[in-house]
Amino acid sequence: AQKITQTQPGMFVQEKEAVTLDCTYDTSDQSYGLFWYKQPSSGEMIFLIYQGSYDEQNATEGRYSLNFQKARKSANLVISASQLGDSAMYFCAMTLHGSTLGRLYFGRGTQLTVWP
Amino acid sequence: GAGVSQSPSNKVTEKGKDVELRCDPISGHTALYWYRQRLGQGLEFLIYFQGNSAPDKSGLPSDRFSAERTGESVSTLTIQRTQQEDSAVYLCASSSYPGQGMGEQYFGPGTRLTVT
Repeated sequence: AQKITQTQPGMFVQEKEAVTLDCTYDTSDQSYGLFWYKQPSSGEMIFLIYQGSYDEQNATEGRYSLNFQKARKSANLVISASQLGDSAMYFCAMTLHGSTLGRLYFGRGTQLTVWP
Repeated sequence: GAGVSQSPSNKVTEKGKDVELRCDPISGHTALYWYRQRLGQGLEFLIYFQGNSAPDKSGLPSDRFSAERTGESVSTLTIQRTQQEDSAVYLCASSSYPGQGMGEQYFGPGTRLTVT
């Protein structure tokens, strides 16, 4: 069974500092994708960043980067220069490139709070 | 262009009643997903539609849950004889190219269902 683990229920960071949100995954598939989504208090799910299992470079999108360590099966999200608007729930998710096409397996999330 | 829309945004119903939730995907998106998010939890996959193929219903929690989609348009999720444990936010997502590469899913704002 596929599984996503986010061990940090809550994280706190000061504005302008960097923060790392942890994510580990478990799958026997060789081809898969990893996502991070942001969910503000308004409830919408906002796509942040994607990493394919065969991508050799770590994905980056503006202030977001994904620290992909395939051997450790970890896909940590790094947010640089945190902003107050980054306060939200963050979900790590995985999709398998073969079976139920596109279905996302989600972790339980990390609540990030950015303080001034 | 318009994103994924869902209606109603909020629904309060009495235990035992049936409810119907609606999702309008992004035009041209062939894949449509339903997820459930209980309070403080990650998203649970419910059902997946891809074009005219048979839907993947493997995530539906019981036979009280059903969903339909006509072609590549609107989908409805029906919950019969609602129970209090059905209280959750029901999120719909659509995607243009699932299964390979990124296949980013775009989420709707969700329907918050409360069963009293």
